[in-house]
Amino acid sequence: GAGVSQSPRYKVAKRGQDVALRCDPISGHVSLFWYQQALGQGPEFLTYFQNEAQLDKSGLPSDRFFAERPEGSVSTLKIQRTQQEDSAVYLCASSIGPTPGSNQPQHFGDGTRLSIL
Amino acid sequence: KQEVTQIPAALSVPEGENLVLNCSFTDSAIYNLQWFRQDPGKGLTSLLLIQSSQREQTSGRLNASLDKSSGRSTLYIAASQPGDSATYLCAVRNYGGSQGNLIFGKGTKLSVKP
Repeated sequence: GAGVSQSPRYKVAKRGQDVALRCDPISGHVSLFWYQQALGQGPEFLTYFQNEAQLDKSGLPSDRFFAERPEGSVSTLKIQRTQQEDSAVYLCASSIGPTPGSNQPQHFGDGTRLSIL
Repeated sequence: KQEVTQIPAALSVPEGENLVLNCSFTDSAIYNLQWFRQDPGKGLTSLLLIQSSQREQTSGRLNASLDKSSGRSTLYIAASQPGDSATYLCAVRNYGGSQGNLIFGKGTKLSVKP
């Protein structure tokens, strides 16, 4: 597609359930980022992939969060044993540049709004 | 640790006014600065990207400036329209450290009244 696609758009889960969020980046984009956006806040970095390699996961809030991009295109963010504080919008972004030195902008998807009951 | 602040948090103006949104950052060692627009329930749309070596960028009615030494950027919107109503986010990309992720402010919520 022309842009970054995320699914589902909305996800409601009970506390303790596992969830999986999907991101389809722009075709050919090497870099993929996940961000978490709490209500009324700016997005906060979670993790970064360069192709299939997860080069930075310093923003993941706990070991319940896991992300993968096995073939260097689609990425999945998984949250195990969800807690209420996990409720947020999860945004995925991609950029064509492969390195931190790239000045290419990041293109964002519409996000997945996760609500934990 | 880089911190990005946006002032004001919210702004309401009548249609046709020119306006300025402010962004400040604590660490001047940035690679670039990007302004985004976010509509309710939507993702972020990139408006302008200013490289650290640049002073400003323009796109249509939008003009963004960057003063890296003082840690400030402004987004100027000329002749505002109701369709400009949205939240505007400023984000910086630091040198070194993690792999190019953006550090965001909390945004300015703009409302343009017809």
